[in-house]
Amino acid sequence: DAKTTQPPSMDCAEGRAANLPCNHSTISGNEYVYWYRQIHSQGPQYIIHGLKNNETNEMASLIITEDRKSSTLILPHATLRDTAVYYCIVRVYSGYSTLTFGKGTMLLVSP
Amino acid sequence: DAGITQSPRHKVTETGTPVTLRCHQTENHRYMYWYRQDPGHGLRLIHYSYGVKDTDKGEVSDGYSVSRSKTEDFLLTLESATSSQTSVYFCAISEEGTANQPQHFGDGTRLSIL
Repeated sequence: DAKTTQPPSMDCAEGRAANLPCNHSTISGNEYVYWYRQIHSQGPQYIIHGLKNNETNEMASLIITEDRKSSTLILPHATLRDTAVYYCIVRVYSGYSTLTFGKGTMLLVSP
Repeated sequence: DAGITQSPRHKVTETGTPVTLRCHQTENHRYMYWYRQDPGHGLRLIHYSYGVKDTDKGEVSDGYSVSRSKTEDFLLTLESATSSQTSVYFCAISEEGTANQPQHFGDGTRLSIL
């Protein structure tokens, strides 16, 4: 699976959009981009995933660049409860595929 | 939230004792997984199951065994616990094992081995 690079930490003001970047320059054409988050002492929570098109759900939007070498997770109106570690993961499509979590980005949302 | 229950949520035990952790799901998903999370290592896959009585090893399977006799239950056993197995253990489920199927996680079991 392709490796990902994320900033170790980011800050965001409550009510503002949080834009979390992820670099995956070695991604292959059959690899999906996934985002999870983990709030302290809880299990990882699935947020969103995509292959090449932008995706949106009730939690967030995922913007994947045309060359697929990077992506951005957007939380449109961050709240204090969005403070968590956010993980960007790529997964190969074919056959069984596990998740490999890196170090992620610690997002701190402040009042 | 996915219907995943892990038990116990916390356990303290001694080196050399057997320990069994249970993961119970109400989603009827085919795939179930056991991960451990340690500082500096992220989440690492221990074992996974792709059906009743069908299991396979993950990245860090030494010292662990699993069993799945029913779709809804996936057990992780430490036959003789060691201090290096002190960790937080997470169970996850998914409908299928392909990359287009997200895994959903339980709230974890914090295991301390003294």
